Amino acid sequence: AQSVSQHNHHVILSEAASLELGCNYSYGGTVNLFWYVQYPGQHLQLLLKYFSGDPLVKGIKGFEAEFIKSKFSFNLRKPSVQWSDTAEYFCAVNARFSGGYNKLIFGAGTRLAVHP
Amino acid sequence: EAGVAQSPRYKIIEKRQSVAFWCNPISGHATLYWYQQILGQGPKLLIQFQNNGVVDDSQLPKDRFSAERLKGVDSTLKIQPAKLEDSAVYLCASSPTGFEQFFGPGTRLTVL
Repeated sequence: AQSVSQHNHHVILSEAASLELGCNYSYGGTVNLFWYVQYPGQHLQLLLKYFSGDPLVKGIKGFEAEFIKSKFSFNLRKPSVQWSDTAEYFCAVNARFSGGYNKLIFGAGTRLAVHP
Repeated sequence: EAGVAQSPRYKIIEKRQSVAFWCNPISGHATLYWYQQILGQGPKLLIQFQNNGVVDDSQLPKDRFSAERLKGVDSTLKIQPAKLEDSAVYLCASSPTGFEQFFGPGTRLTVL
């Protein structure tokens, strides 16, 4: 069955530290990959997405992610985090199912806390 | 552009009671989704509509959950009767293409 695995459930960093959140998926077909972010008290919003082309994608607020097909990975990175990056981050894979529809499968999420 | 609207934002009920959630998607979005997000987990798809037809309801507990999307716009999700394990945030999302999804604020349900 298709699944998404996020390696870290909780990450604590100091401001200006570098961030890398791991994401691996299991699905053999063509995938679209997403990172969503949920700031405290707010709804899920798209951080970045990969559909095709350059495997290094850039999103909002200085985030980027690299799609490595051979490793089934889509890790999220940011060179220098800020206190305002404190949030929960979800990796998601949009997989195509028989019947011709797409289904978004989420990882369990990583809760990031950034201390000033 | 207005986002996905959901109501109520919070609901507290006792087990065995009924509850309904409402979602108004972004105008023009043909695909609508309901997700259940239990604390500490990622959202799990319950049901997906394409216009007013059901595309996928394989993870919807049909003995107690039901959903409809009349006229291909608004949607309601109902739980009857509720169980303690239904305590979660219920998210509605919509998409124009079936790829990128836009999420509403969610309804936090507490079943006592």
